[in-house]
Amino acid sequence: EEQLVESGGGLIQPGGSLRLSCEVSGFSVRNNYMSWVRQAPGKGLEWVSFIYGASTTQYAESVEGRFTISKDNSKNTLYLQMNSLRVEDTAVYYCAREVGWAFAIWGHGTMVTVSS
Amino acid sequence: EIVLTQSPATLSLSPGERVTLSCRASEGVNSYLAWYQQKPGQPPRLLIYDASNRATGIPARFSGSGSGTDFTLTISSLESEDFAVYYCQQRSNWPITFGQGTRLEIK
Repeated sequence: EEQLVESGGGLIQPGGSLRLSCEVSGFSVRNNYMSWVRQAPGKGLEWVSFIYGASTTQYAESVEGRFTISKDNSKNTLYLQMNSLRVEDTAVYYCAREVGWAFAIWGHGTMVTVSS
Repeated sequence: EIVLTQSPATLSLSPGERVTLSCRASEGVNSYLAWYQQKPGQPPRLLIYDASNRATGIPARFSGSGSGTDFTLTISSLESEDFAVYYCQQRSNWPITFGQGTRLEIK
């Protein structure tokens, strides 16, 4: 069964850093299109970042320069390093796998709260 | 950035009714348009990809159509489990964008 399990969320002060993890089972992160998508409380979905292969990445303008997506093929895990966090980064963060140009598989998300 | 505008924002309907949700793109996205359903406390679930293809396990009462800038999601006969929020999403250009959602409520 294909499964994504996020972890690493929590309460962090503005300006702080956090690293989210997404453990993948049932398929390999090595040759799949993977993204992070977030959802602020009571709001809609916002795509955050994408990774494919060794070095192909994309970022939303709102996180460019602050967030870094990466993966460890040996651990079959996706990461999102979040620096210089802002109150507006508060959200549930989902990892997702693309199949056929759509997000076919989603994790259950991890909550990030940025507050002083 | 391609902006996706969904309408209406909220819809109140009864089980058994037919419903059509709209998603309009600010520029053409070919057929790189997907639809998702989200219930409270759950991640989104993919319903439709490439504008008109049902994802695995999605009931036949869900159908999608459109290309270019105008897309629709139709539920032929609403069941109680269909009351949720629906989002469209484009994969034609970076950044990937979602519509703001349509909330389907029980009347």
